[in-house]
Amino acid sequence: AQKVTQAQTEISVVEKEDVTLDCVYETRDTTYYLFWYKQPPSGELVFLIRRNSFDEQNEISGRYSWNFQKSTSSFNFTITASQVVDSAVYFCALKDGNNRKLIWGLGTSLAVNP
Amino acid sequence: DGGITQSPKYLFRKEGQNVTLSCEQNLNHDAMYWYRQDPGQGLRLIYYSQIVNDFQKGDIAEGYSVSREKKESFPLTVTSAQKNPTAFYLCASSIQGRLQETQYFGPGTRLLVL
Repeated sequence: AQKVTQAQTEISVVEKEDVTLDCVYETRDTTYYLFWYKQPPSGELVFLIRRNSFDEQNEISGRYSWNFQKSTSSFNFTITASQVVDSAVYFCALKDGNNRKLIWGLGTSLAVNP
Repeated sequence: DGGITQSPKYLFRKEGQNVTLSCEQNLNHDAMYWYRQDPGQGLRLIYYSQIVNDFQKGDIAEGYSVSREKKESFPLTVTSAQKNPTAFYLCASSIQGRLQETQYFGPGTRLLVL
């Protein structure tokens, strides 16, 4: 069965600290896609990144970076030099060929304090 | 600007009342989705539609109904059969509903029971 686990329910950091949000997934399919979304207090889900199972290259976008490791079924998200505006709930999600619906983790609530 | 709009932002339902949540997109996407979000939980799929005049039940369709008469619109009705409707409802769309596609979300509607 497909599953996404975000073990960290809440994280609190001080501004400028680096923070890593963990995501572990389960799937038996060889073709799948992983996603990260940000949900700020306003509620709207903002798409951050999509990664397919055949591309294990890490990605960097400004202060954001993602580490995809198939060997450990993980797709972790790091924010470098965090800012107060990064405070939000972050969701990791999985979509595979067996179940084309998005399977969501429960989210990690990140609080960045000034 | 292209995007997804949801209205109203807040909606109040009385006992035994049906209410309809609006979702409109001008992204020219074929596929549209409705999710429910409860506190501390991930998103759960209610209904989805990959083409006009066709839709499928998601994981928690009981007590809900949808229609897809136009490509741009996918309204969700919360019926009186839904005994616990208080939640945050999110509408999303993607190009054609294929495995590799990203889903983009609207700002959400918060439904409260009086």
